[in-house]
Amino acid sequence: GAGVSQSPSNKVTEKGKDVELRCDPISGHTALYWYRQRLGQGLEFLIYFQGNSAPDKSGLPSDRFSAERTGESVSTLTIQRTQQEDSAVYLCASSSGAADLEQFFGPGTRLTVL
Amino acid sequence: SQKIEQNSEALNIQEGKTATLTCNYTNYSPAYLQWYRQDPGRGPVFLLLIRENEKEKRKERLKVTFDTTLKQSLFHITASQPADSATYLCALNSGNTGKLIFGQGTTLQVKP
Repeated sequence: GAGVSQSPSNKVTEKGKDVELRCDPISGHTALYWYRQRLGQGLEFLIYFQGNSAPDKSGLPSDRFSAERTGESVSTLTIQRTQQEDSAVYLCASSSGAADLEQFFGPGTRLTVL
Repeated sequence: SQKIEQNSEALNIQEGKTATLTCNYTNYSPAYLQWYRQDPGRGPVFLLLIRENEKEKRKERLKVTFDTTLKQSLFHITASQPADSATYLCALNSGNTGKLIFGQGTTLQVKP
């Protein structure tokens, strides 16, 4: 079926506002990941969901960041009280669950905080 | 602390030559390593995975080596083409999960 989709593709917000970024993984994929990519940089791990297990939140940079996933479907990454340093591309990936499998990435959401 | 390093400078080569990209890591003992390609404005695309007990993996014009003693992986593209121009990212697994730690990527430019 379709690949990983993310929305919106671009988001411009003012400092201090909250934003929600959405990820639709590939159907049947039990694992879902969020990464952040600053301009010219590599991917920075944020959070990882695997089935019904407790998520690995070890990469979230502050308590302003949170994410939820409904079952094995859609995930939402929320950033509260956005700061200019939150400006980046936020990438979502999914995989079929086994630890050593490839990850399929969405096109990303480009967030700009003014 | 754990670190993954890729050549930060862009690699420029002539069409038809072999491109070699390097990924070095410290303070890791990864069970596997993956290479991804990323084009501007797009998400990364998986290319190859190599496990710690494998020394070399090939796929068409691509070859990856993994030296756990040197803590290094080399990524080769033979008979390079302008369409191979992109940023290439290496990624190591962290722990027993699918969580990946990425290097900053190396940009390859193949000139016709």
